[in-house]
Amino acid sequence: EPEVTQTPSHQVTQMGQEVILRCVPISNHLYFYWYRQILGQKVEFLVSFYNNEISEKSEIFDDQFSVERPDGSNFTLKIRSTKLEDSAMYFCAGRGDYSTEAFFGQGTRLTVV
Amino acid sequence: GESVGLHLPTLSVQEGDNSIINCAYSNSASDYFIWYKQESGKGPQFIIDIRSNMDKRQGQRVTVLLNKTVKHLSLQIAATQPGDSAVYFCAAHAHNTDKLIFGTGTRLQVFP
Repeated sequence: EPEVTQTPSHQVTQMGQEVILRCVPISNHLYFYWYRQILGQKVEFLVSFYNNEISEKSEIFDDQFSVERPDGSNFTLKIRSTKLEDSAMYFCAGRGDYSTEAFFGQGTRLTVV
Repeated sequence: GESVGLHLPTLSVQEGDNSIINCAYSNSASDYFIWYKQESGKGPQFIIDIRSNMDKRQGQRVTVLLNKTVKHLSLQIAATQPGDSAVYFCAAHAHNTDKLIFGTGTRLQVFP
């Protein structure tokens, strides 16, 4: 069964450093998302991406965040200067054109120290 | 802003019993709802969904009920098994947006 793959599974970084979280969506998906989940809290929407541009973003997704799909397969989330409060699980998700079901990856645990 | 909330943070049931997990949402424009299961260290896994033009949908051992009048939905799991132990989230989607608003989650614990 096809699945969304995220790497790395765990990333530890120093405050102020840049991190890039990577996702390989399911091949026929067209809509892509990043969500995050702070430990013990609800899953929060960050950004949606379609046709190589951001279609919607939350207030969490400020100028420190960016997304891109550089080669038509990988979908990345970049945090330019990490803060302690960026520590969370980051989930990539995707869906097909005629489906409303979003498939989630296993997540990347980001720890900012 | 809009919110989605679950009624109980933890639900403990005996193996074989039926489980009911409840969820309330605030945005009357929500037109699509999903229940996700999240096991420890994993991403949310789709269980079942329902559109706002329905009030009930059944899957394998799971049923989702939607009451738009009181903005409430529930997930019923029949004959709960140890493998059902996880955190369950409801999520709502509004027709004019592509994002999901998640609830806080209910941890289902199944004991023998």
